[in-house]
Formats: sequence, C-alpha cells, structure tokens
Amino acid sequence: VLTQSPATLSLSPGERATLSCRASQSVSSYLAWYQQKPGQAPRLVIFDASNRATGIPARFSGSGSGTDFTLTISSLESEDSAIYYCQQRSYWPLTFGGGSKVEIK
Amino acid sequence: EIQLLESGGGLVQPGGSLRLSCAASGLTFSDYDMTWVRQAPGKGLEWVSLIGGFGYSTYYADSVKGRFTISRDNSRSTLYLQMNSLRAEDTAIYYCAKGIATSPNFFDYWGQGTLVTVSS
Repeated sequence: VLTQSPATLSLSPGERATLSCRASQSVSSYLAWYQQKPGQAPRLVIFDASNRATGIPARFSGSGSGTDFTLTISSLESEDSAIYYCQQRSYWPLTFGGGSKVEIK
Repeated sequence: EIQLLESGGGLVQPGGSLRLSCAASGLTFSDYDMTWVRQAPGKGLEWVSLIGGFGYSTYYADSVKGRFTISRDNSRSTLYLQMNSLRAEDTAIYYCAKGIATSPNFFDYWGQGTLVTVSS
C-alpha cells in the first residue's frame, strides 16, 4: 500500500511544494511520480525515485528509498496545479498511491 | 512521435462484455511492455493489467483476474483488453500506457483514455 500526504496542498507561486509517499513495505528505489491535470491522462514526472522523465522541468525532483519518498517542486508555477500520484513497481500487483492535489493560490 | 489511441469503450449492462483496443504508432511496438490503468469517476488511478513485449507474460490486478484478458498483436501495433462479466465497479476511464525500456513497469506515454460505463 502506498500512502500519500498531504491530501491537498495550497501554495502560492514561487513557493516550495513537498509531497510524501510512504510504502507499507520496502520498494527499494522502484517508485515513480505522475502528474495528472483535469481531463488529461497522467504524465510521468519521476521514475526510479529520482530520475526526471523526458521534458520535465528541473524544478521537479524526487528523493527517497525503501519506504519513504518525496517529490519536491522547488518553485511552484501555475501550470503545476494538478494531482500527483506515486506508483511502485517492486512487487505485483503494481499499485498507485491515492494522490496529492497541489493547488496554486 | 509516439501516440496511443484507445477505442472500444461504451455503455454495457452488468454481466456483459467489451473489448478495448489501443492502437500505437511512432514506436517499435514489440520492444515495450504495455499496460492498462483505469480511473473511476472522481477517483484515483488503479492498475489493471500488463503484458510483456512478446505477449508471453501477463499480469492482472486481483479485482479483474479471471474476468479480463490482456493481449497484443505486434503486427498491428495494437493492445487489447477483453472484459467479461462486467460489474458496476468496472465503470471507469481506461488508459493504455507504454512501459519505459530502461525501467519496465513505469509508463512514459499514455493514451487519452476510453470510458467504460457498466449500468442497466
């Protein structure tokens, strides 16, 4: 089970966003983060805990291993408003966290 | 440019069947694992099923095991999901997605989804 927190984060442009994903058992570094905007398909942001996907801005970074992971957006922009999901690939079935919504004030 | 286009969604009665398709372009289809992920209205993402590049390996979520079958036709660059014994809780947008070559079972390209509604 992947547990994400907070459920909702409301911040102003330029502020730093920190999202958490906690696994009920170790997933090593086999964790990804996806961004989903309303009406759109998910978009891969980070894979293998800390690798940015193609085309993802440098303000997005991932860290962690084992059971505790963090997605950081260093300086929020209005376009970062979305729901962020973590996903593990360490064991079957593949699972997603419940999501964290980032709102821009 | 890699593109994934789902089709086959619609309204079906409980207990009915539906087959989803996902047509891929812009890639060597057989090089990649492919997956289906669904999203119930207003809810989060739920992984459904995954198939290896040559179709020999398949995996399912417990919620669909025995009812859904994933398959692929590499000659047509198309992924399928046969859904039988459908239930109301299967109502969702179904997305197909492509696995990353270097990190299998993470997904870097997604289709726009097809809506499946199970209702009488």
